Amino acid sequence: DAGVIQSPRHEVTEMGQEVTLRCKPISGHNSLFWYRQTMMRGLELLIYFNNNVPIDDSGMPEDRFSAKMPNASFSTLKIQPSEPRDSAVYFCASSSGRLYEQYFGPGTRLTVT
Amino acid sequence: KNEVEQSPQNLTAQEGEFITINCSYSVGISALHWLQQHPGGGIVSLFMLSSGKKKHGRLIATINIQEKHSSLHITASHPRDSAVYICAVPPANTGNQFYFGTGTSLTVIP
Repeated sequence: DAGVIQSPRHEVTEMGQEVTLRCKPISGHNSLFWYRQTMMRGLELLIYFNNNVPIDDSGMPEDRFSAKMPNASFSTLKIQPSEPRDSAVYFCASSSGRLYEQYFGPGTRLTVT
Repeated sequence: KNEVEQSPQNLTAQEGEFITINCSYSVGISALHWLQQHPGGGIVSLFMLSSGKKKHGRLIATINIQEKHSSLHITASHPRDSAVYICAVPPANTGNQFYFGTGTSLTVIP
């Protein structure tokens, strides 16, 4: 298996633009997590899906952020409109469940100017 | 208030030294994760444990649920162990969030 795949690896965009981050989890995993990492706040869980259903989105910072998982092999995290404070590394991880070992993707480094 | 506290924040060791990183948490948990983040940014899950001890090669993780404390040990440390080690806990009774420690930055000098 190729592991968790994220795209793009780097994204630079201007404030106000829409940004879409993509994630393909490991085949057979039924849990998917989106994380954000910044120097100031460290790692934060944004949203958690189980069997394609969002279970907990309490970590999503505001309404500008939305996430979808239309099927078991694909998820998106969208920011609209983007702001400079959204600049961070966004990780996607998948696992066999919330309490199982997680496998992380390589991350998407987002820079909003 | 931090639900998860790690110590030390930074650690420099000579190659071959025995290393201990500590994690204390204040919430009830079902399990605890130790993560390793390489200098290039990639994150690898090292351990997920809910009791006792686990060992992978030179890495050992222990947890004491009653004392709400976990330790990560590295025996015979090597420069390739240089990374940030992060402790993460999914709370048992407060939804599905994860709490993360701020990480311990380890540098092993040859």
